[in-house]
Amino acid sequence: DIVMTQSPDSLAVSLGARATINCKSSQSVFLSSTNKNHLAWYQVKPGQPPKLLIYGASTRVSGVPDRFSGSGSGTDFSLTISSLQAEDVSLYYCQQYYNIPRTFGQGTKVEI
Amino acid sequence: QVQLVQSGAEVRKPGASVKVSCKTSGYTFTDNFLHWVRQAPGQGLQYVGHIYPKTGDTHYAEKFQGRVTMTTDTSISTAYMDLTSLTYDDTAVFYCVRETWYYAHWGQGTQVTVSS
Repeated sequence: DIVMTQSPDSLAVSLGARATINCKSSQSVFLSSTNKNHLAWYQVKPGQPPKLLIYGASTRVSGVPDRFSGSGSGTDFSLTISSLQAEDVSLYYCQQYYNIPRTFGQGTKVEI
Repeated sequence: QVQLVQSGAEVRKPGASVKVSCKTSGYTFTDNFLHWVRQAPGQGLQYVGHIYPKTGDTHYAEKFQGRVTMTTDTSISTAYMDLTSLTYDDTAVFYCVRETWYYAHWGQGTQVTVSS
């Protein structure tokens, strides 16, 4: 199984400041047949299902604010919130969809 | 639009079984894999397994092998997850997910509580 490791486990950021979450996979999730990194980011709020934010490591889902951005390739990835808003307080997870079983990072809690 | 609507919360005693349903709409049910994901209290997201409705082929995570069975009824575009021999550690929210490589469409979740 591919192990996904996020850092930090939690971070406190001031309103309007930048927040960066890192995600490292135990093996490359770049799939040559699709020419894409098979890495997604989800936002999870209490009582709600996870919400897909980013796929292909850097493609933002339609409707997701452009303050959210993803970067990285191979085994090292990041999710950046450029200017933290109150509604961004949440848990964030990275996930590889390179193979089965799909695996997630342990989650990062973003607080103000 | 794509919708996945799951059955309601369940409470079971240790050793019992639970069956969760996931009714889908807004897409061709047999075109996509249907995954199940667990979120236990204070824990992260965990892949439980998946089923391909067109063929009925399944794959289960090692942790759940022997205890989980996933099925579908293609006539009503509904998937089911049956989990047996429940323990307190199975207290969690279970989600069904339409898989298109990544997980864009989720059910609302079903709370399963194991309590004596």
